[in-house]
Amino acid sequence: GEDVEQSLFLSVREGDSSVINCTYTDSSSTYLYWYKQEPGAGLQLLTYIFSNMDMKQDQRLTVLLNKKDKHLSLRIADTQTGDSAIYFCAEGDTGGFKTIFGAGTRLFVKA
Amino acid sequence: EAQVTQNPRYLITVTGKKLTVTCSQNMNHEYMSWYRQDPGLGLRQIYYSMNVEVTDKGDVPEGYKVSRKEKRNFPLILESPSPNQTSLYFCASKSPAGVTDTQYFGPGTRLTVL
Repeated sequence: GEDVEQSLFLSVREGDSSVINCTYTDSSSTYLYWYKQEPGAGLQLLTYIFSNMDMKQDQRLTVLLNKKDKHLSLRIADTQTGDSAIYFCAEGDTGGFKTIFGAGTRLFVKA
Repeated sequence: EAQVTQNPRYLITVTGKKLTVTCSQNMNHEYMSWYRQDPGLGLRQIYYSMNVEVTDKGDVPEGYKVSRKEKRNFPLILESPSPNQTSLYFCASKSPAGVTDTQYFGPGTRLTVL
């Protein structure tokens, strides 16, 4: 079945760039998402990319998609302590009804 | 304020005692979904509903039931809870008019089954 994998932890210094990686298996996925979960809260959609795009930039966030390798990454420029959270990669079908999430990457930002 | 609410937020129960976790949204969204979050496994979809009276299984539906009698409510029912259903549960909703519309998540319900 479909699977989404990501590393569980990442630690960076404040001001550095963070890169969170994700691999997925379903080549028919239409949308790929990045969600952020802060402690004690639900998930917030950070950004998404269509499967026919290679890159999307949104302020400090850059999403890169390598469709051939089924690899997705999220780069956060100038990482701040407020960026400390769990980041989930997810893939979605054309209708947006079924979403498969990765296990989440916990980002620690050291001051 | 646009929001998804869940009740209760915390629940401790015993094996076999039926329970219902309610979910309500005030955004007139057609689509609603239930997920469970477990350490190291991320979020797994339990059931989703595309509209009133239309529901479908997600990846881990065993042991759960749902109903969608009204657009705003999507309760999750555990007829006979077991300890392996101890988890953090999230309800979410969105309008599928735009498939990339933000999926709004509720605050979560932490369930412990003893």
